[in-house]
Amino acid sequence: ETGVTQTPRHLVMGMTNKKSLKCEQHLGHNAMYWYKQSAKKPLELMFVYNFKEQTENNSVPSRFSPECPNSSHLFLHLHTLQPEDSALYLCASSQGTANTGELFFGEGSRLTVL
Amino acid sequence: GQNIDQPTEMTATEGAIVQINCTYQTSGFNGLFWYQQHAGEAPTFLSYNVLDGLEEKGRFSSFLSRSKGYSYLLLKELQMKDSASYLCAVRDTGNYQLIWGAGTKLIIKP
Repeated sequence: ETGVTQTPRHLVMGMTNKKSLKCEQHLGHNAMYWYKQSAKKPLELMFVYNFKEQTENNSVPSRFSPECPNSSHLFLHLHTLQPEDSALYLCASSQGTANTGELFFGEGSRLTVL
Repeated sequence: GQNIDQPTEMTATEGAIVQINCTYQTSGFNGLFWYQQHAGEAPTFLSYNVLDGLEEKGRFSSFLSRSKGYSYLLLKELQMKDSASYLCAVRDTGNYQLIWGAGTKLIIKP
């Protein structure tokens, strides 16, 4: 496989459930990102990891918990979410974080919280 | 504050030319990006401008004026497959992260 792969593509969960989103990149990049995309709103940066270390946490509620076991894999653990958390969650990677070039995005995980 | 403005939606005709504008007000500037996102798909990189002027890449061109806080994406010889959202983003100098506009949905009609 090439590029950035996200699973699952669609997820429906209740407010008391615990689920995880997975992202894998096959580009040899060392930086990975989680973004939230809501309709008609700008992309919201959630977390940044560089060489497995978290370098940005954009005031994200603790019900979202990221995990980066290595430079190729990124998870977003979800628990006790709210309906307003329903959105498209995009993973991206890049070669480094400072003064970087383009971001490479996965196709996203569409999350619906009931 | 940080602000990126672009039109919400535009409509154009197949074969024509369309210009999508983006204005920005940011505390720092380290380059401006344009991305294309088809419905249900990943955003993909289109262009990058860090100096004033026009960058041409096939049917697509991107222009930047740093003094005016302004950029545009010019699409020529429009094709139906150009129907997509176009996202403008500015890289900040503080943490080098991208500040995004809400995107412009471009609808191409035959």
